[in-house]
Amino acid sequence: GAVVSQHPSWVICKSGTSVKIECRSLDFQATTMFWYRQFPKQSLMLMATSNEGSKATYEQGVEKDKFLINHASLTLSTLTVTSAHPEDSSFYICSALPTSGRVQETQYFGPGTRLLVL
Amino acid sequence: ILNVEQSPQSLHVQEGDSTNFTCSFPSSNFYALHWYRWETAKSPEALFVMTLNGDEKKKGRISATLNTKEGYSYLYIKGSQPEDSATYLCAFYYGNNRLAFGKGNQVVVIP
Repeated sequence: GAVVSQHPSWVICKSGTSVKIECRSLDFQATTMFWYRQFPKQSLMLMATSNEGSKATYEQGVEKDKFLINHASLTLSTLTVTSAHPEDSSFYICSALPTSGRVQETQYFGPGTRLLVL
Repeated sequence: ILNVEQSPQSLHVQEGDSTNFTCSFPSSNFYALHWYRWETAKSPEALFVMTLNGDEKKKGRISATLNTKEGYSYLYIKGSQPEDSATYLCAFYYGNNRLAFGKGNQVVVIP
């Protein structure tokens, strides 16, 4: 149980294009999902918290117009990198918190998406 | 900026040997510390959620301890096996369900 999928796992795009990444909780409902980014040899850095049916909350320094998040259902959140540039090349990974989430509740992670912008 | 440090960054362990590594985190406003195991090309897998000072949790050959007063947690692997090769992540809970991660402890078990 508690499986989270991400699609695509790999994407290569040209500079200036937009890329959409999907995060799905397959066997549970998730009111809250999270988007992280990881640069080489760095830690997972939280970008934003995505809440079903409401606007995402972005961490300091993350451009909300650059990284559009939509959480339209209890099992799907999407991250769109708009007008991607080479510096957006990174590893993006999502996690989902079961709807019953308490302070000590585990977040369940997807396998991540590697984005390369040429 | 929350400082979550893991050491050593990487380690090689002979099969059958035991090993341990450290996660240090802010000792104030503590709620919970999470440990994850992350194998290459897979999703991070939850190991433990630790909430109480002095907590000790165990899952098979892997165990973890927690000291919230001094701000550290140890993860132990007893009798390492090749399948234990992975990156072990700790994450500090800092409110509103948000986690601050360390860079991880990369473990390679040599057969």
